[in-house]
Amino acid sequence: DGGITQSPKYLFRKEGQNVTLSCEQNLNHDAMYWYRQDPGQGLRLIYYSQIVNDFQKGDIAEGYSVSREKKESFPLTVTSAQKNPTAFYLCASSRTGGDSQPQHFGDGTRLSIL
Amino acid sequence: GDSVTQMEGPVTLSEEAFLTINCTYTATGYPSLFWYVQYPGEGLQLLLKATKADDKGSNKGFEATYRKETTSFHLEKGSVQVSDSAVYFCALSGGLTGGFKTIFGAGTRLFVKA
Repeated sequence: DGGITQSPKYLFRKEGQNVTLSCEQNLNHDAMYWYRQDPGQGLRLIYYSQIVNDFQKGDIAEGYSVSREKKESFPLTVTSAQKNPTAFYLCASSRTGGDSQPQHFGDGTRLSIL
Repeated sequence: GDSVTQMEGPVTLSEEAFLTINCTYTATGYPSLFWYVQYPGEGLQLLLKATKADDKGSNKGFEATYRKETTSFHLEKGSVQVSDSAVYFCALSGGLTGGFKTIFGAGTRLFVKA
């Protein structure tokens, strides 16, 4: 079955350290997204990409970076500049053509600070 | 810009009670509307969608009707089960402002008691 795989499920970061969250999809979707979810809150868009080698900042991009070298992959790096990185991170993908398309989500990565 | 407002939770119901979760939206153009569900520790799953005015989306006993005159997309279920306990997100995409990106509401947590 097609889907989105996020890894790892749990991740711990030390102060001053960069960490990278993996997101892979086999749905052949053009668009991919990263969201941050804090306890009891909705989703906030970090970055999104409509096509390989192109990506755009979302609402809370500071302290994060991404790359989109392959259609299937959209890794997110949480840099040391992100001072409050503890959160649940969700990756999603969707088609971009025709009727507005729903997003398909991975099961998330929970990042904590040591 | 485009936005989604949904009722604050938590909503606590007894099993077999009737559920309504209110959702209103602001958008220019003709967006599509969605309800997603998130179970604990997981990503979001599409529950139902509607792509034009007066469309009714339905799935697993849940229904929502796209009301353009009231800019609403309220989620209903006639008889909830304990297994329906989750967080429900109303969302839109395809508005003139947001384009293909999805705008999410803050989420409404539902607790169903046996």
